[in-house]
Amino acid sequence: DTEVTQTPKHLVMGMTNKKSLKCEQHMGHRAMYWYKQKAKKPPELMFVYSYEKLSINESVPSRFSPECPNSSLLNLHLHALQPEDSALYLCASSQSPRDRGVSEQFFGPGTRLTVL
Amino acid sequence: SQQGEEDPQALSIQEGENATMNCSYKTSINNLQWYRQNSGRGLVHLILIRSNEREKHSGRLRVTLDTSKKSSSLLITASRAADTASYFCATARQGGANSKLTFGKGITLSVRP
Repeated sequence: DTEVTQTPKHLVMGMTNKKSLKCEQHMGHRAMYWYKQKAKKPPELMFVYSYEKLSINESVPSRFSPECPNSSLLNLHLHALQPEDSALYLCASSQSPRDRGVSEQFFGPGTRLTVL
Repeated sequence: SQQGEEDPQALSIQEGENATMNCSYKTSINNLQWYRQNSGRGLVHLILIRSNEREKHSGRLRVTLDTSKKSSSLLITASRAADTASYFCATARQGGANSKLTFGKGITLSVRP
């Protein structure tokens, strides 16, 4: 199974809502990532989990809260978002980071988030 | 700041022609990767080339890496309409727990039937 799944595919939320994005992989990867992508822009890294521990937080606002319950799951909890947070949120996974640098990443299809 | 810069930013070719996309970067890297993204979808990994490699092939794809010029090129031969997509180069620096990819701005490729 070389698939990364993400749910939901689309999400519309108000600025006072609390919602969660979910990501799952069963490739035995121990590195998982959240990216944010605006239209016609490259993905921007938000968070990296390595062996279920947060290893990189790219100065993301606290209204985004990641969670890695186990080696297969990655969540992104959303609270009090702003309209400018509307974007495609991508999850990815890869083999554990080693001295030779990041290996290929497998991406999910993304969640299209709209904040009203 | 973004590590990779691709050029051209947009490329339109006829089916059957070859497409060449270039990527330049600024700092030392461990490897460089190319990804494809169809509109509004997730990214698909195409090929990875390590800093000690100069050329790599995968099917209709050929990637070169020139670390002295800090540049890479992706060649797609005999293009097809299905190759229409955005292409990103991404650089990986040294490894360890803080390893990450930094993506370039991307190239939009249109292949006309």
